[in-house]
Amino acid sequence: GQSLEQPSEVTAVEGAIVQINCTYQTSGFYGLSWYQQHDGGAPTFLSYNGLDGLEETGRFSSFLSRSDSYGYLLLQELQMKDSASYFCAGPNSGNTPLVFGKGTRLSVIA
Amino acid sequence: DTAVSQTPKYLVTQMGNDKSIKCEQNLGHDTMYWYKQDSKKFLKIMFSYNNKELIINETVPNRFSPKSPDKAHLNLHINSLELGDSAVYFCASSPQSTSYEQYFGPGTRLTVT
Repeated sequence: GQSLEQPSEVTAVEGAIVQINCTYQTSGFYGLSWYQQHDGGAPTFLSYNGLDGLEETGRFSSFLSRSDSYGYLLLQELQMKDSASYFCAGPNSGNTPLVFGKGTRLSVIA
Repeated sequence: DTAVSQTPKYLVTQMGNDKSIKCEQNLGHDTMYWYKQDSKKFLKIMFSYNNKELIINETVPNRFSPKSPDKAHLNLHINSLELGDSAVYFCASSPQSTSYEQYFGPGTRLTVT
């Protein structure tokens, strides 16, 4: 089966940079996705890494190292509105369900 | 325009009742999903349909029965509701079953008393 591990909580200061790590154990790995979920809201897609390296989308970047079975989401210039839960998910195979990590609750403080 | 919609948004019912949740997507996607998110925010897939055909059926009690009348709709019917069924249920869709980007509906908060 697949399992993805990520920290349960992270706290960071407004304007700072925070990194949320995700390690996985899975066979047939195809890529790592990241989703954001605000309290009371639905998960929304943030980014995807299908290959090793860094993908940048505005203030958010995501990294994948398949040899290390590891990825991270990097949030820069943190804003209060970034307070949410962040989920890594994999492995994106047609007949294999997308498995979500248990989520990291990010709290941005002033 | 709402991409993925679910009804109802809230559902409060008693143990033993039968209830349904409806989901519709207007994105033209081929694949739809049902997820359950418990109180600890653990998001777990229940079912996946591709072009109205069931392709993923995780370990879910057979009291849960999905139905896809067409590829834009995926409904979830739950029989004999139990306290442990209380959760938020999300419908989602993606262009294909291999798509890494899924679009989630707003969720249905089910409370069983």
